[in-house]
Amino acid sequence: AQKITQTQPGMFVQEKEAVTLDCTYDTSDPSYGLFWYKQPSSGEMIFLIYQGSYDQQNATEGRYSLNFQKARKSANLVISASQLGDSAMYFCAMREAQETSGSRLTFGEGTQLTVNP
Amino acid sequence: KAGVTQTPRYLIKTRGQQVTLSCSPISGHRSVSWYQQTPGQGLQFLFEYFSETQRNKGNFPGRFSGRQFSNSRSEMNVSTLELGDSALYLCASSDLKSWNTEAFFGQGTRLTVV
Repeated sequence: AQKITQTQPGMFVQEKEAVTLDCTYDTSDPSYGLFWYKQPSSGEMIFLIYQGSYDQQNATEGRYSLNFQKARKSANLVISASQLGDSAMYFCAMREAQETSGSRLTFGEGTQLTVNP
Repeated sequence: KAGVTQTPRYLIKTRGQQVTLSCSPISGHRSVSWYQQTPGQGLQFLFEYFSETQRNKGNFPGRFSGRQFSNSRSEMNVSTLELGDSALYLCASSDLKSWNTEAFFGQGTRLTVV
């Protein structure tokens, strides 16, 4: 079963507008972490934001915020005031706490974001 | 603090050869994980090392192997290269074995098998 689902293969947004990238996940583990990464065309994977399953508040990092809805198993990334440099592939990932998972991250298929001037 | 360093950045190899990729984690981080990224399969977990021990392994053939040294640097080796091994190989570093820690990636090694 797919553990991380990103239903938007591509998204377009106008510069300076906000955009939401969707992510839903599936796990039976009560302890888990959710991550968002940005991957420009250069290939490096840039860490953006992290949310733990027990965190009471939604995570925020500058222009990035994570809309965490635990009951719905969704962890959407919100980028405010989009910039041209935000154009990239964005990946949602999950790490489960069960011992057999170790530090393994399970990734979604990604969303290609294009910011238009 | 220096980030995760992967070397080399680019590699071109011939089918049947072997290759070794290197990853130096963030100072103090003891967990190193390796991932393969291809257009068709996306990001797939290869294996993870923690304190020189392989802790977890993905669903890859035995041609893919790795190790970790006492300074936490890790290498992965692919023997008898196939065309399908062409991919971006990424390593990630974490400071603890816990699920509740951030993971930082290197810039990747882009391997082309011809």
